[in-house]
Amino acid sequence: GAGVSQSPSNKVTEKGKDVELRCDPISGHTALYWYRQSLGQGLEFLIYFQGNSAPDKSGLPSDRFSAERTGGSVSTLTIQRTQQEDSAVYLCASSPLQYNEQFFGPGTRLTVL
Amino acid sequence: ELKVEQNPLFLSMQEGKNYTIYCNYSTTSDRLYWYRQDPGKSLESLFVLLSNGAVKQEGRLMASLDTKARLSTLHITAAVHDLSATYFCAVEVGNQFYFGTGTSLTVIP
Repeated sequence: GAGVSQSPSNKVTEKGKDVELRCDPISGHTALYWYRQSLGQGLEFLIYFQGNSAPDKSGLPSDRFSAERTGGSVSTLTIQRTQQEDSAVYLCASSPLQYNEQFFGPGTRLTVL
Repeated sequence: ELKVEQNPLFLSMQEGKNYTIYCNYSTTSDRLYWYRQDPGKSLESLFVLLSNGAVKQEGRLMASLDTKARLSTLHITAAVHDLSATYFCAVEVGNQFYFGTGTSLTVIP
C-alpha cells in the first residue's frame, strides 16, 4: 500500500520568504509527527497531531513555525520569514495509534539561501 | 532535559564480526524504538520494544530493552556489507519521541 508521502522533495528559498511543506500520511493513521533533521544530526521533534488536534506544540523552534492538519489526514508545516538556520530535512511520520511505531516519509530538503 | 545517548557514534567493522550499539536514556520510559537510515533516505523502522526485558530479533540484528538500567542494545551478528547505515534509537515519553544522535555503521568487506 501507499506509504507516507511528502512534497516537495526539495525546496530552495530565499531568506525571509514563507514556505509550506506538505505531508500525506498513510490512510487511517490517526497520529502524525513532524521532525527536523539537520545535516549529520539526529531528529528533532517539532509537533505531533492526534486526529486534527495538536496537544503539544512545545517542540516548534519559534513562532515562525506553525502546523495544521485537516480532515485527520493531510498536514502542512509552514515556516514564515525563513532563516538560514531553518535549512534541514523535514520529516513526517504517521502511526495507526498514538503509541506505536512510526512510518516515515521521504522528507523535504529545505535550503534557505 | 531528557538525553538519549548512543555509542559509538561511528563504527567501522569487518564483515563476519559481531558488535553491539548502546542506547542510554535519562528518563523513565518503557517504549523504545530502533530505526535504520540509509544515506539520503528516510528512516525505516527496525524494532519496537514496549516492555522491560523485551528482546526482538530480525536476521542479523537483535534488540533488547532494560528499562531499569535505561538501556537498549542493538547487537549485530556476523555483519555483512548491507548493514552499513546509520542506526537511531528513539525513546517515547508522553507524546514525544526523543532520538539519539545515531550510530554510523560501516561494514568493510
